[in-house]
Amino acid sequence: TQLLEQSPQFLSIQEGENLTVYCNSSSVFSSLQWYRQEPGEGPVLLVTVVTGGEVKKLKRLTFQFGDARKDSSLHITAAQPGDTGLYLCAGGGKTSYDKVIFGPGTSLSVIP
Amino acid sequence: DTEVTQTPKHLVMGMTNKKSLKCEQHMGHRAMYWYKQKAKKPPELMFVYSYEKLSINESVPSRFSPECPNSSLLNLHLHALQPEDSALYLCASSLFRGGGTPYEQYFGPGTRLTVT
Repeated sequence: TQLLEQSPQFLSIQEGENLTVYCNSSSVFSSLQWYRQEPGEGPVLLVTVVTGGEVKKLKRLTFQFGDARKDSSLHITAAQPGDTGLYLCAGGGKTSYDKVIFGPGTSLSVIP
Repeated sequence: DTEVTQTPKHLVMGMTNKKSLKCEQHMGHRAMYWYKQKAKKPPELMFVYSYEKLSINESVPSRFSPECPNSSLLNLHLHALQPEDSALYLCASSLFRGGGTPYEQYFGPGTRLTVT
C-alpha cells in the first residue's frame, strides 16, 4: 500500500520567514502534485513534478522531486499571510483508474 | 479554463431528507471524482467515474448514491444521512490518461454539508 507522510503537521511562522515542508514515502511515484487549500475551499493545484531531481519554481515557492521519486519538498521564501493554508502532497497513479494518494497535509499559518 | 463548479455551496439537511449535490466541468475531462473531507484532514476518495461509468467505489454506504448523466456533470444523491456525514464534499476532474503519464486533478470549491 502506498502511503505519503508530510512534515511538519502544523507550522506557524512570522511574515518574511522562510520554510520548508516535506512529503515522504517508501514507495516510488510516477508523479507528485502539491495543492494548497484555504478553509472552506477546494484544493488548488500548485505544481506537478514528474522527473527525479526535478526542481520547479512558482514565484516564491520552490518544489523539488527526490532523485528516487519517493519524496518531495516545498520551500517558501519570505512567507506572506496569503500563503496561509493546508498544503497537501498527492501521489498520482499511472492511469486515471488509480486512486490518488494524499498526504495528511501541513497546516501553515503566516502571522503578519 | 480549469474550473470545476459545485452547487450548492452550503447545505443543511435533516436525517430524513433527500438532497443532491451537483458538479460540473467543461474542460473535456473524462474522469470525475467525489471526495469527503473533514476539517484539517486530507480528502477521502468516495467514487471515481471514468467515461461516465463508475470505476471505483470506496465501500461508501448506500445512503450516498452517485450519478454521472453525461461527461460534464456529476451528481451525488443523499438520503437518510447521519450527523457524522457532515463534512466538505469535493468534486474533482482530470484528463483520462493511459499508463505512465501523470495526471492532475482539478477540484471544485466544495459543498459544506451539515446533517442535523
